[in-house]
Amino acid sequence: GAVVSQHPSWVICKSGTSVKIECRSLDFQATTMFWYRQFPKQSLMLMATSNEGSKATYEQGVEKDKFLINHASLTLSTLTVTSAHPEDSSFYICSARITSGIYEQYFGPGTRLTVT
Amino acid sequence: ELKVEQNPLFLSMQEGKNYTIYCNYSTTSDRLYWYRQDPGKSLESLFVLLSNGAVKQEGRLMASLDTKARLSTLHITAAVHDLSATYFCAVDMTLRSQGNLIFGKGTKLSVKP
Repeated sequence: GAVVSQHPSWVICKSGTSVKIECRSLDFQATTMFWYRQFPKQSLMLMATSNEGSKATYEQGVEKDKFLINHASLTLSTLTVTSAHPEDSSFYICSARITSGIYEQYFGPGTRLTVT
Repeated sequence: ELKVEQNPLFLSMQEGKNYTIYCNYSTTSDRLYWYRQDPGKSLESLFVLLSNGAVKQEGRLMASLDTKARLSTLHITAAVHDLSATYFCAVDMTLRSQGNLIFGKGTKLSVKP
């Protein structure tokens, strides 16, 4: 089946530093990947849609200069949290969409970010 | 604006009992998904419902979709402790299913012996 990986699975960083999270589709090509954020005991909120070879589309209220998304290949998208603050601490989940069949999304295992 | 409402948000069940989780959405949609999330983990896909009247079953879980009523249900039969988790429904509201999923708030299910 379709497998999506994320790295790292958890990260602790200091305020003001930047953190990069990788999302890879391991056994399929994904022209579209999605980044979600989930705060404790809450639902998933779509942050942005990442399209290979073009700029990401950000949801309303998501700062594009703070959350940099790059989708340089058909199997890799990265999310960089720049100048991280404690309020950016969250669970970040990516998904990748298969561009055939029923176009289902497959979710990565998530990255837990803690900013101290 | 698309809204996806789940109820109940919390559900405490005894083993062996049946119950239904409801998912209402506010506008026409191409498809509806059900996911399971265990604490500290990501999402596990349970069902994809693609058309009106669709019914899918896997073990003790059965999902259905009524697009006219904009309602999906997740029915739990003879619950067991292993089903304890948070269940989310999600609706794809984009044309040609571009993948912008809107999630419900989730139903935290706790199955007690």
